[in-house]
Amino acid sequence: KAGVTQTPRYLIKTRGQQVTLSCSPISGHRSVSWYQQTPGQGLQFLFEYFSETQRNKGNFPGRFSGRQFSNSRSEMNVSTLELGDSALYLCASSRDRGMATEAFFGQGTRLTVV
Amino acid sequence: AQTVTQSQPEMSVQEAETVTLSCTYDTSENNYYLFWYKQPPSRQMILVIRQEAYKQQNATENRFSVNFQKAAKSFSLKISDSQLGDTAMYFCAFLPPSNNDMRFGAGTRLTVKP
Repeated sequence: KAGVTQTPRYLIKTRGQQVTLSCSPISGHRSVSWYQQTPGQGLQFLFEYFSETQRNKGNFPGRFSGRQFSNSRSEMNVSTLELGDSALYLCASSRDRGMATEAFFGQGTRLTVV
Repeated sequence: AQTVTQSQPEMSVQEAETVTLSCTYDTSENNYYLFWYKQPPSRQMILVIRQEAYKQQNATENRFSVNFQKAAKSFSLKISDSQLGDTAMYFCAFLPPSNNDMRFGAGTRLTVKP
């Protein structure tokens, strides 16, 4: 059974650009959550998608957005990149809503903004 | 707002010994979930153990067990018979019942020495 797949693994972008990250959940999982991990702020919740609808959103500016497709794959987009957006972006999938049902994380996408 | 505190940034333990990682949290919720996640150098977050607040019995998973003190809002992780593969960052996390906004502690870097 394939795990959660995040692509790309590494990304370097310039300030002002935009970026799209992808997350393919485990087959049969319908919930995808995104987290940002930085040395200064630690792990912070970005948003959760379930059945193609955003269910929850963390305290991030509108430059951070996402979507989920009918096959449960999810993308997140960051527009007008800032240096502070450099981080490891993790996604987690779970069968149903709520991370209380066991959630599995991907290996993350390391975004560097220069 | 819920907060999670891990007061030990780094710890080390000799192989085969026992180590306890501390975690405290703050919440006004009565029902919630608590987790310990492990993040090895590969960056993938791996669920170690979970505890439901309404269950008084402490969770155990093989060499991993927790000491859940609800009144004290304490959730420590005990690792018995430590192995070299246990070397990783360990994150304590709190999840309210209503959404996927999981709150993580700052992490404890555990090194198991041969």
